[in-house]
Amino acid sequence: KNQVEQSPQSLIILEGKNCTLQCNYTVSPFSNLRWYKQDTGRGPVSLTIMTFSENTKSNGRYTATLDADTKQSSLHITASQLSDSASYICVVRASGTYKYIFGTGTRLKVLA
Amino acid sequence: NAGVTQTPKFQVLKTGQSMTLQCAQDMNHEYMSWYRQDPGMGLRLIHYSVGAGITDQGEVPNGYNVSRSTTEDFPLRLLSAAPSQTSVYFCASSTASGGGSNEQFFGPGTRLTVL
Repeated sequence: KNQVEQSPQSLIILEGKNCTLQCNYTVSPFSNLRWYKQDTGRGPVSLTIMTFSENTKSNGRYTATLDADTKQSSLHITASQLSDSASYICVVRASGTYKYIFGTGTRLKVLA
Repeated sequence: NAGVTQTPKFQVLKTGQSMTLQCAQDMNHEYMSWYRQDPGMGLRLIHYSVGAGITDQGEVPNGYNVSRSTTEDFPLRLLSAAPSQTSVYFCASSTASGGGSNEQFFGPGTRLTVL
């Protein structure tokens, strides 16, 4: 069964610190993996999209990595800010379909 | 560009009532989809469309109907609302291509409560 699992479920860090969120997937065949940021009460917003051949992609202070062999991805946030408080969702698209498999997300809270 | 818009933002229904959630996009995207988001679960695909006149079922289609008469609009109809349909509903759109690395844009969501 196609699944996307994220860890941790929630995380609290102090402003200015770094953190790494994890995503493991069993989706096959693989097309691409996306990380989204979802603020409370809003729709998800795309941070990065990576295909099979890409193993790192950055968007400002957000850096995503992908290991397609082990089917793992991580999202690293550098020098966190209060505005980074949100849910971060990992999404995998299976090749040849229009269907996206969503993880349940990691809820990040950044404290001053 | 307004992006993806959804109306209403909030809605309360009684069991058995019907209603239509509206979704529109002004980016000329071929692909549009509807998701529901429930606590502790990832977004789940209800229905999707790859162009005007073409729709298909997602993971949880029961109790919902869709149609796509124009590129811009993709309404979601609840035929007879049930408490299990209490959820937050998101509409999304993207270009449609075989490669699949197209950014998907989400609307702000509709929070639906069925009593």
